Amino acid sequence: QKEVEQDPGPLSVPEGAIVSLNCTYSNSAFQYFMWYRQYSRKGPELLMYTYSSGNKEDGRFTAQVDKSSKYISLFIRDSQPSDSATYLCAMSPLNTGTASKLTFGTGTRLQVTL
Amino acid sequence: GAGVSQSPSNKVTEKGKDVELRCDPISGHTALYWYRQSLGQGLEFLIYFQGNSAPDKSGLPSDRFSAERTGGSVSTLTIQRTQQEDSAVYLCASSADRLAKNIQYFGAGTRLSVL
Repeated sequence: QKEVEQDPGPLSVPEGAIVSLNCTYSNSAFQYFMWYRQYSRKGPELLMYTYSSGNKEDGRFTAQVDKSSKYISLFIRDSQPSDSATYLCAMSPLNTGTASKLTFGTGTRLQVTL
Repeated sequence: GAGVSQSPSNKVTEKGKDVELRCDPISGHTALYWYRQSLGQGLEFLIYFQGNSAPDKSGLPSDRFSAERTGGSVSTLTIQRTQQEDSAVYLCASSADRLAKNIQYFGAGTRLSVL
């Protein structure tokens, strides 16, 4: 079983819909949680970054972390065709001043239609 | 440039040949990472460099893979005797060495095709 599970989709929604993307994980050491967006043939771009449990909002994007359930979510409000991309969740354990590798989900392909 | 730069953007090679992939991190970033993204797979960690510390090579899939980072900046990932299963997008990322931060910024990747 993978450390991070993510539904690959594809997920197709109409413009203006609320999108919910999710990941589950098994490693309780994970403390940092990120969402990256990746357009076709481009590198991943950081969208949201959360430490430990809780919610974080940035414009149309909201990230939620529930460590008790080992479950993280990304919500996109008022989705736009430009949001069509692959969304990758990523996480890492607490570091003590040194960097550490990220463990990624496989990514969810999102298509926002007109 | 302001971002992570990788070259070449595309590489086509024949099975058995060696290839070198280059990464130029964001200026001032002390940590540098290599990941591999295969079709339908998430990003798979390969190796990372942190300052002057010994690199974490735990993700390298075989001894055909190696990487170095010269002068604490540019890194080269080398794949010897390439195999068809090495075909993937190789992504490089860098991050600043700040306490309790692990925000990694990615380059556009090198798309490797082994024929």
